[in-house]
Amino acid sequence: DTGVSQNPRHKITKRGQNVTFRCDPISEHNRLYWYRQTLGQGPEFLTYFQNEAQLEKSRLLSDRFSAERPKGSFSTLEIQRTEQGDSAMYLCASSAGQGGGTQYFGPGTRLTVL
Amino acid sequence: AQTVTQSQPEMSVQEAETVTLSCTYDTSESDYYLFWYKQPPSRQMILVIRQEAYKQQNATENRFSVNFQKAAKSFSLKISDSQLGDAAMYFCAYTTQGGSEKLVFGKGTKLTVNP
Repeated sequence: DTGVSQNPRHKITKRGQNVTFRCDPISEHNRLYWYRQTLGQGPEFLTYFQNEAQLEKSRLLSDRFSAERPKGSFSTLEIQRTEQGDSAMYLCASSAGQGGGTQYFGPGTRLTVL
Repeated sequence: AQTVTQSQPEMSVQEAETVTLSCTYDTSESDYYLFWYKQPPSRQMILVIRQEAYKQQNATENRFSVNFQKAAKSFSLKISDSQLGDAAMYFCAYTTQGGSEKLVFGKGTKLTVNP
């Protein structure tokens, strides 16, 4: 069990550019979550996958955001035409199943949009 | 809407002393779970303790324990024998049974441990 990993750890980009983040969950976990955390706030839910199916998306996830989880393994989160308001920490978490299973978090990707 | 409120933005405690962090939540659900997560500076979030709402017994994990008051919708975290390594942001979170079981977080409490 190597834990949840995320890459890159830091990303600096210019406004209008596209960025993609990757999350590798704990291998046997079928549930994967993306959250966004801004300074001084708790994480906010963005989207949820069960295996390869994206089953829930937050209203925070605008049309510029897209997430995938091909083959139910790793996941990617892409932001198109980044805006300064997208600057945040993007957290990925995974869990093993229902029943309030513990979500294990990755270290996050800190995005800075200049 | 489900909400989680942490009324103490910052707390401090002397090493070896006890501190209690407050959390209240709002839900109409009967089956749910409550969590405390710890986020040290520049490090990833880790679970401190978990409570199932259907269990009356308060959860404990070594020096960490909770006071779960279901009727009052209160879920406080007590840290005993505080250590320097306990310094971190602490987030209270909630999820309902079924569906995505996404976590709803409070804004966090920054805990400082003074030597």
